[in-house]
Amino acid sequence: RKEVEQDPGPFNVPEGATVAFNCTYSNSASQSFFWYRQDCRKEPKLLMSVYSSGNEDGRFTAQLNRASQYISLLIRDSKLSDSATYLCAVMVTGGGNKLTFGTGTQLKVEL
Amino acid sequence: GAVVSQHPSRVICKSGTSVKIECRSLDFQATTMFWYRQFPKKSLMLMATSNEGSKATYEQGVEKDKFLINHASLTLSTLTVTSAHPEDSSFYICSASGGRDGYTQYFGPGTRLTVL
Repeated sequence: RKEVEQDPGPFNVPEGATVAFNCTYSNSASQSFFWYRQDCRKEPKLLMSVYSSGNEDGRFTAQLNRASQYISLLIRDSKLSDSATYLCAVMVTGGGNKLTFGTGTQLKVEL
Repeated sequence: GAVVSQHPSRVICKSGTSVKIECRSLDFQATTMFWYRQFPKKSLMLMATSNEGSKATYEQGVEKDKFLINHASLTLSTLTVTSAHPEDSSFYICSASGGRDGYTQYFGPGTRLTVL
């Protein structure tokens, strides 16, 4: 089983739709969680950290479920510019701040 | 804040040559820098972790003699791909941590290496 798993997609949604991605992790010692956005042939850019209580940043909401070992990202009112690959990343306690990335979920927002 | 630069952005070289990639944190001191490799449609794979002034820690399966890492200062790390071969063609990305919270990683723009 991979350490961090994501549905690769693509998720094709119309503009204005709400879309949610899940990411599961296998190491229960994971302590910190992140969502990154990666555009084609570009570097990942930090979208948001994921906190235990859940957090929201504009149209984006991140949730953490430690019991089931998954994190989620919800995008409301999706825009064409949201089209990208969304990577979840997990950091393990005592792991030297190393991140383990999922393979990413591709989102395509269409007119 | 938390800007990381990488140079060159793209390099094409002949098989057998060595290529050096620089990673710089521009507005913060990076206590730790990470080097990743990403193949098309694949995720980022960590190659090594480097701390300023000490030897890099390589991930399993990554040859330290082939991928030489130097972290000479708190703002600069270099990755040298020695005797590059076509199978080394990939997107190499560095990241740096040590900003406000000390652990969030900020990524450089990446270097696309093509070995002919």
